[in-house]
Amino acid sequence: EDQVTQSPEALRLQEGESSSLNCSYTVSGLRGLFWYRQDPGKGPEFLFTLYSAGEEKEKERLKATLTKKESFLHITAPKPEDSATYLCAGFSGGSNYKLTFGKGTLLTVNP
Amino acid sequence: EAQVTQNPRYLITVTGKKLTVTCSQNMNHEYMSWYRQDPGLGLRQIYYSMNVEVTDKGDVPEGYKVSRKEKRNFPLILESPSPNQTSLYFCASSLMRGNSFEQYFGPGTRLTVT
Repeated sequence: EDQVTQSPEALRLQEGESSSLNCSYTVSGLRGLFWYRQDPGKGPEFLFTLYSAGEEKEKERLKATLTKKESFLHITAPKPEDSATYLCAGFSGGSNYKLTFGKGTLLTVNP
Repeated sequence: EAQVTQNPRYLITVTGKKLTVTCSQNMNHEYMSWYRQDPGLGLRQIYYSMNVEVTDKGDVPEGYKVSRKEKRNFPLILESPSPNQTSLYFCASSLMRGNSFEQYFGPGTRLTVT
């Protein structure tokens, strides 16, 4: 059974205090590892797709990296508007095209 | 504007009364999917569809049905809703181009079954 585990469950940072969120996965024949941002009461918003170990992608203050067992979302000098829940999901391979989501990390950035 | 729309956005119903939640996308995406989101359990995939007339079960399909008669629409049907189906439901769509897979989510449907 595919599993995606995110840590920590919640993270509180001061504005400008860089940190990382972790996503460890056990996904059969991983096709891709996705990161989403979700604001309260809204649908998830796509951030990144990573396809192979060693790959990195960046967008503003966010950088996502992938190894064979986990992915990290690095947040550099966060701002209060970065506060949200960050979700990680694994896209399985073979004849399945299922997505398995982690439970998310609730990030709060205080001014 | 590229978007995924869901209707209704909010629904309160009673146990056993059949209901349908509609989902439509205007991006000509092949892949569409339904999720439910519950506190402490995260997002869980209910059903997905690779294209017209092609559907498959996700992790929590029990109590739900779907159909994909047209590329743009992917309704979620609850034949006999029960209180444990009270949840926040999201529809999503994506292009399937090699491994490229950027999913767009709808705004959500909050369902309460009493």
